[in-house]
Amino acid sequence: SQQGEEDPQALSIQEGENATMNCSYKTSINNLQWYRQNSGRGLVHLILIRSNEREKHSGRLRVTLDTSKKSSSLLITASRAADTASYFCATVIPGAGSYQLTFGKGTKLSVIP
Amino acid sequence: ETGVTQSPTHLIKTRGQQVTLRCSSQSGHNTVSWYQQALGQGPQFIFQYYREEENGRGNFPPRFSGLQFPNYSSELNVNALELDDSALYLCASGKETQYFGPGTRLLVL
Repeated sequence: SQQGEEDPQALSIQEGENATMNCSYKTSINNLQWYRQNSGRGLVHLILIRSNEREKHSGRLRVTLDTSKKSSSLLITASRAADTASYFCATVIPGAGSYQLTFGKGTKLSVIP
Repeated sequence: ETGVTQSPTHLIKTRGQQVTLRCSSQSGHNTVSWYQQALGQGPQFIFQYYREEENGRGNFPPRFSGLQFPNYSSELNVNALELDDSALYLCASGKETQYFGPGTRLLVL
């Protein structure tokens, strides 16, 4: 079953604009991660934010986490055509006994040159 | 590049057959996980191996089985293939942060 749900399902922006994607989840988490997938191939880890953190930055990426609302957002600033990909949030649930990532359905981002 | 490799890249099988997919994990990683990704969906956790023992399993039937070898490479075996098994199969090494291979695309006819 899907733990996270990304919103929107698809997003189309012009190069240079900012892109914001949201993720909502259902149960308590240890951490929340964002991954990128190009053209149905392997996923690339972007950033991890722990349950006791509220905001984290990595280059052009900014992630926020609101555990009271069970939601997270990923902001990509000054987007580039190379950012075109699907973006997934994934959660790790405490006490699961393994490092099981539970993914949402993803947001498909298209950056138009 | 993550250093995780998978073989084969593509595979076509018929219903009822058996398939074995292979994964070489990133050097030093003793934990490997397998995920199934249907078209248009997010990856679904199949199972995880830690030091050659299964260390967690998702909601998949027993016909999905796996192995991890002493060098931490891994296999995913699927018996009695069904049409719904058509998907991208992803292997990932690491624990909290996972490093994914490029995947094996399986088509069951």
